[in-house]
Amino acid sequence: SQKIEQNSEALNIQEGKTATLTCNYTNYSPAYLQWYRQDPGRGPVFLLLIRENEKEKRKERLKVTFDTTLKQSLFHITASQPADSATYLCALSGTASKLTFGTGTRLQVTL
Amino acid sequence: SAVISQKPSRDICQRGTSLTIQCQVDSQVTMMFWYRQQPGQSLTLIATANQGSEATYESGFVIDKFPISRPNLTFSTLTVSNMSPEDSSIYLCSVEGSGRTDTQYFGPGTRLTVL
Repeated sequence: SQKIEQNSEALNIQEGKTATLTCNYTNYSPAYLQWYRQDPGRGPVFLLLIRENEKEKRKERLKVTFDTTLKQSLFHITASQPADSATYLCALSGTASKLTFGTGTRLQVTL
Repeated sequence: SAVISQKPSRDICQRGTSLTIQCQVDSQVTMMFWYRQQPGQSLTLIATANQGSEATYESGFVIDKFPISRPNLTFSTLTVSNMSPEDSSIYLCSVEGSGRTDTQYFGPGTRLTVL
């Protein structure tokens, strides 16, 4: 069955450092991989999308890589700030416009 | 991006009762989605609701338990029927974004507690 795994342990990093979050998947050939941010008590907010034929995508301090051979995506936040503290979800889609979400990783950026 | 509102934002209900959650979008959209997010868990898709057709339910979810209405292109409701404590969860609606990339925009969610 399809499985999307993100590190369930919270990631604690110091302000100014680069945070790197991992998303691994099995039994899936996604056309798109997306990253969302979710704050407590709120719905997820779309951040970035990368297509299966793309290796890397950037947006301001965010960078996503996509390795379809390793079946892995890395999500980087450079120069992290306490305001970046949230849970980050990866989501995959193939056909039929349906998204399958990973378990999410909680990021905590401290001063 | 679309602006989505949900009502109620939270509710506490008794076992055996039903609750209807409303989702309103500020623009017309073809596809709307309903998710459940149990405490500490990720999002699980309940069903996809297209205007003018019956909702398509995911494995493990049935219409009798989660009836959905989609009367027009800006509105949908999800009813959680005959509730039990296991239905305590956050229920989220979302809509598809523009373009054909499967991006979705989410409402703020409805936090349901069943006693």
